[in-house]
Amino acid sequence: GQQLNQSPQSMFIQEGEDVSMNCTSSSIFNTWLWYKQEPGEGPVLLIALYKAGELTSNGRLTAQFGITRKDSFLNISASIPSDVGIYFCAGVNAGGTSYGKLTFGQGTILTVHP
Amino acid sequence: GAVVSQHPSWVICKSGTSVKIECRSLDFQATTMFWYRQFPKQSLMLMATSNEGSKATYEQGVEKDKFLINHASLTLSTLTVTSAHPEDSSFYICSASRTGNYGYTFGSGTRLTVV
Repeated sequence: GQQLNQSPQSMFIQEGEDVSMNCTSSSIFNTWLWYKQEPGEGPVLLIALYKAGELTSNGRLTAQFGITRKDSFLNISASIPSDVGIYFCAGVNAGGTSYGKLTFGQGTILTVHP
Repeated sequence: GAVVSQHPSWVICKSGTSVKIECRSLDFQATTMFWYRQFPKQSLMLMATSNEGSKATYEQGVEKDKFLINHASLTLSTLTVTSAHPEDSSFYICSASRTGNYGYTFGSGTRLTVV
């Protein structure tokens, strides 16, 4: 099925470093969501973006909804060990038979070394 | 607010038996619930969309007779894996959405192991 291209697939960083990951799509989405998933748990919503060009922050996290509505990025500043997990972008389909469904990126596995 | 409870968190069953997984929205009414499947180190793949009071809509390639979905109330959806086989072993996750609100909340997932 439809999928978003999320990169990088994995990151190994030192505590205190900044992190950036992004998602691109060939389709337009009307909402972009960023989730974090820890082992054995469901995804937890970090940031929701509803307008093209929107830049939103949640603590050390910042995400932007691309102007073309086909991309989004997530930045994490000053990483800490508890940032470890898998980060997923998700797009909400704009219309048609897929209206309201989430399409997920492949995920970015983040490892933070103390 | 917006809590989704999923039960059980893990289950082991014998091949050929059926397993039911429950997804409940605890503090809101969920007109739509979604069921996902996730294999290790992979992304979430949507299996089906269930709407309260109507039949579920299954994604291409998902067997509706094998994965039975019931959404009989605004706070409960169930996924029953019928005649389970080892290849059905996976992490199953539900999510719920309020009407007109894209605040999708996910359950904590169910680890199914079929032996």
